[in-house]
Amino acid sequence: GQNIDQPTEMTATEGAIVQINCTYQTSGFNGLFWYQQHAGEAPTFLSYNVLDGLEEKGRFSSFLSRSKGYSYLLLKELQMKDSASYLCAVRFNNDMRFGAGTRLTVKP
Amino acid sequence: GAVVSQHPSRVICKSGTSVKIECRSLDFQATTMFWYRQFPKQSLMLMATSNEGSKATYEQGVEKDKFLINHASLTLSTLTVTSAHPEDSSFYICSARDWSSSYEQYFGPGTRLTVT
Repeated sequence: GQNIDQPTEMTATEGAIVQINCTYQTSGFNGLFWYQQHAGEAPTFLSYNVLDGLEEKGRFSSFLSRSKGYSYLLLKELQMKDSASYLCAVRFNNDMRFGAGTRLTVKP
Repeated sequence: GAVVSQHPSRVICKSGTSVKIECRSLDFQATTMFWYRQFPKQSLMLMATSNEGSKATYEQGVEKDKFLINHASLTLSTLTVTSAHPEDSSFYICSARDWSSSYEQYFGPGTRLTVT
């Protein structure tokens, strides 16, 4: 199977830090992506990890551990506009599969 | 950055009719395009993968005779929903892979289909 698991919902406060975890089955792994999706819109690319470690891009960072089948997306200095769904997607060989998404609500 | 367009953005059709959705890569060549479907509050489900000049590969459970995919050029793929039914109402999103990039995959803005 190619199960990708992430929490369904999270809530955080404006200005805080939030970590969204993603676990996946490791067979056929060929890269992991994080996307942001606002309601009614297409996903937008946030990050890509194929090697172990942390990738930092402004307020967003993404971490990958291939041996553990684990990734997280870290959002710092949360803003209200960060309220959205965050999709973890894994490329298995040539096919990209999506997790169900984590709906993040940022409160004042 | 690379841009992928979809047309139309919204379409309402009557049950039994067919609808064609276009996906174009505007500033890069896409040897591979992907079609996804997303129901409300659910994640994207891959429907099919299309490679330029060859037949699409459909995911299990997706009827290839109902969802016709054509990828005739490096910048255009089309999805035709034939004999649409209300249960086909969904958000259809395409994405395209830049052949020159090892991993980048760009999404179109999506097409919301409503079948009445």
